[in-house]
Amino acid sequence: DAGITQSPRHKVTETGTPVTLRCHQTENHRYMYWYRQDPGHGLRLIHYSYGVKDTDKGEVSDGYSVSRSKTEDFLLTLESATSSQTSVYFCAISDPLGRFSSGANVLTFGAGSRLTVL
Amino acid sequence: DQQVKQNSPSLSVQEGRISILNCDYTNSMFDYFLWYKKYPAEGPTFLISISSIKDKNEDGRFTVFLNKSAKHLSLHIVPSQPGDSAVYFCAASRFSGGYNKLIFGAGTRLAVHP
Repeated sequence: DAGITQSPRHKVTETGTPVTLRCHQTENHRYMYWYRQDPGHGLRLIHYSYGVKDTDKGEVSDGYSVSRSKTEDFLLTLESATSSQTSVYFCAISDPLGRFSSGANVLTFGAGSRLTVL
Repeated sequence: DQQVKQNSPSLSVQEGRISILNCDYTNSMFDYFLWYKKYPAEGPTFLISISSIKDKNEDGRFTVFLNKSAKHLSLHIVPSQPGDSAVYFCAASRFSGGYNKLIFGAGTRLAVHP
C-alpha cells in the first residue's frame, strides 16, 4: 500500500466509547487525509493535515478530531463513538506539495479500517 | 449537494467487450478529474486522470473522455477483463481553502463476466 499502514484494520466498539485510528506513512508526504466510505456516498473527507500540527476540517468533521505530532503519523479520534460513525475509514497521502506539481493531485490510500459501533 | 454523481450503481459486462462508466458534475471550477478503482478490503487506487483543458486521455486499455459543456465524463475500458471487476470512483479536484480538494462520486460496481 505504497508505505501507508492503518491500524486497527477492524474494530468493534460500543456507543459512547472513545476510538482512535492510526495512519502511518513512510513516504514523507506532507499532506495526509482521513476519509470515510459509506454506501451511496462514496468517499467523504473528514479532516486533513498539511504539516505537523497543521490540520483542518473536511466536509464531515463533526464528532471527529485529528492530531499530527510527527510527519509520519496522523491520528483520527472519535471522542464518543455513535452508531452513525460505523463506516470504513481510509487514510490517504499526497505528494509533498499537495498541489499540482505534475498534474492532478493524486491521493494514495491505505487499506482501510472498518469500524462498527454497536 | 452532490457535486459529483455516478448515477449507475452497478454495471455488468461480458469479457472482451467495452465497459463505459459515467460521471456527471455540477461545479465548472473543477480543474482535474480522476478515476479510482477499488477492490474489496483494499483502499482505492488511482487509475487515470484528465485535465479540464483536455477532452481525452488514454492509458492502455483505459480512456477517459471529458465533455465540459455537458459537465460529463466517462471511463472506457477496452477490452474488459475479469480482473477489472471492482468499484470505480469518479473524483473531481479544485484548489480551495489552501489545498486541492477532491470530491468523490458514490461509485459504480463493475462486474466483468467470462
